[in-house]
Amino acid sequence: SAVISQKPSRDICQRGTSLTIQCQVDSQVTMMFWYRQQPGQSLTLIATANQGSEATYESGFVIDKFPISRPNLTFSTLTVSNMSPEDSSIYLCSAGLMNTEAFFGQGTRLTVV
Amino acid sequence: QKEVEQNSGPLSVPEGAIASLNCTYSDRVSQSFFWYRQYSGKSPELIMSIYSNGDKEDGRFTAQLNKASQYVSLLIRDSQPSDSATYLCAVNIGGATNKLIFGTGTLLAVQP
Repeated sequence: SAVISQKPSRDICQRGTSLTIQCQVDSQVTMMFWYRQQPGQSLTLIATANQGSEATYESGFVIDKFPISRPNLTFSTLTVSNMSPEDSSIYLCSAGLMNTEAFFGQGTRLTVV
Repeated sequence: QKEVEQNSGPLSVPEGAIASLNCTYSDRVSQSFFWYRQYSGKSPELIMSIYSNGDKEDGRFTAQLNKASQYVSLLIRDSQPSDSATYLCAVNIGGATNKLIFGTGTLLAVQP
């Protein structure tokens, strides 16, 4: 299994600002994903982070709002841009090998005020 | 139709009973199926993976997969209050695209 470190664990941000969340994996993984989990809801896939190229976004999510980087096999960042209170959620990084189980970081609890 | 569907629950079972959690999926080419457990305020924790038809047992947990019916289930034997959590079914959708899609989760409550 992979150990995934995500930071910050929580933050309170002003509307209109941006927050970058970091995800570090302790071993080389093929796949890295970013999810959002709103209160009382399940996980919604935001995008697949691709090494060295643009992320693959799911319907309803766009690069201008959620820019993602993945400079190498073990590190990725998600930025939540121009935040509004509707962006208040838990953001989760996930990583694993192709077609096998994925493991999660501890999540980032974001509150936008 | 949602890609991965679960009953939201809550599913309430007495301590010591068998809890049965069910999940259906829409993508026929899916090859990988997972069950995660999520305690309130925590991130999901992998408890079972299953890749071929039939049963897979791990301790008190048994995952069952029927690809023809597009159905995967999780049985928890001898349920304990500590099993009370939300159980998320996840399916690797689309083969080569390798993205993990989650169901809405089933809240399990084990009554002492």
